[in-house]
This record gives sequence, structure tokens and C-alpha cells, in this order.
Amino acid sequence: EAGVTQSPRYAVLQEGQAVSFWCDPISGHDTLYWYQQPRDQGPQLLVYFRDEAVIDNSQLPSDRFSAVRPKGTNSTLKIQSAKQGDTATYLCASSPGVGNTLYFGEGSRLIVV
Amino acid sequence: GQGVEQPAKLMSVEGTFARVNCTYSTSGFNGLSWYQQREGQAPVFLSYVVLDGLKDSGHFSTFLSRSNGYSYLLLTELQIKDSASYLCAVRDLGSGYNKLTFGKGTVLLVSP
Repeated sequence: EAGVTQSPRYAVLQEGQAVSFWCDPISGHDTLYWYQQPRDQGPQLLVYFRDEAVIDNSQLPSDRFSAVRPKGTNSTLKIQSAKQGDTATYLCASSPGVGNTLYFGEGSRLIVV
Repeated sequence: GQGVEQPAKLMSVEGTFARVNCTYSTSGFNGLSWYQQREGQAPVFLSYVVLDGLKDSGHFSTFLSRSNGYSYLLLTELQIKDSASYLCAVRDLGSGYNKLTFGKGTVLLVSP
């Protein structure tokens, strides 16, 4: 069974540039999460979906971050006008329902200079 | 306030054991999970507990005390490859969204 796939694995931006991260969850998992993990910190939830619906985006900086999951499968997280403080690894995870086990992708590491 | 706290670092010796502590505060506790994360890799699920007591899973055991807001992950017969960050994550119904909140992780270094 294929795991959670994310791309790109790495991105280096200058402040003010935009980037999109893509996630393909495990087949059949209806719940998808995006976490931000700064270096030496734990993952912090940005947004999560059940199918195509946003369940919680209260921690998503809405002025510059957006996330979609239009068909309830793949998802895209976009950062517009990146700031140095956005430097982190962006982890995508999926689960069957709001399960107790999250399956994480390898992450997309973003460096903003 | 609500949060999950873990010590930043822990050192132990190959062949012995290590106990990784986690304290938490929530308004609607609905379970606690432990994940292992190696440098540059994704977190990997280890264990989930929702009832008090010790859950023995062989190399890893997990203890929970809900009244004290406390859990630990016990690793026995340590190997060098157990060196990693261990993340405690608490599910909180009180947020209204059944949210999973992670601690900052404890970096375990196992030396020969």
C-alpha cells in the first residue's frame, strides 16, 4: 500500500515569493491534515479536511495561507508572500475518519531567505 | 491553559531503558498518542492510550494517568537506532474539533 506522498521535498524562496505544496493521502483515507513543524518543535496543526470540507482552519494564517482539497483526495497548501518565519517543514497526514493513528508523509521542507 | 509539555532531551545507554515523560492539560481529553520521528523523516505512530494504566507493547510501553495529566513512553533494551525524537500528542474534544495537539518532542540519544 502506498503511503502519503508529498511534493516538492524541498523549496527555497526569497521573502515575498509564493509556493504550493501537494499531498496525495493514502487511498481511502477521508481525513487529511496539514501540519507546520519548525525546526526543533512539534507539528502544529494548520488545517484539516474530511473529504472536501474544511473541518478546522483556525490556525491557518488566512491572509497568506490557503488550502484546498477539491475532490476529497489530493490537497494543495499554498503560501503567498512567504516570510522568513514560514521556514519549517510542512507535513501532510491522513487517517481513516478522525482516527487515532495519523499516517504522515515525508514532508516538504521550506526555507525562506 | 491547554498544552502538551515534554523535556527537550534525554540521554541513555544501549541495552538499558529510557522513559520519556509527557504532561498535558486539556478541557476534553480523548486519548494520547506517541510518535517516533527520526531526523529528516516523517513521524511514525507508536502507541495510543485512552485508559489509565500501563500498556505493554514489547519494546515500547506506555503509561497514562488521566487524573494527573501525565503519560510516559518506556523503551527497554535500548538500541542505538532508538535515537530519535519522541512526540506526545493529545486529542482534545474541548476545542470542538477533536483536535490533536503535539508536544515539542523529546530527543533521545542512545550511546554505546
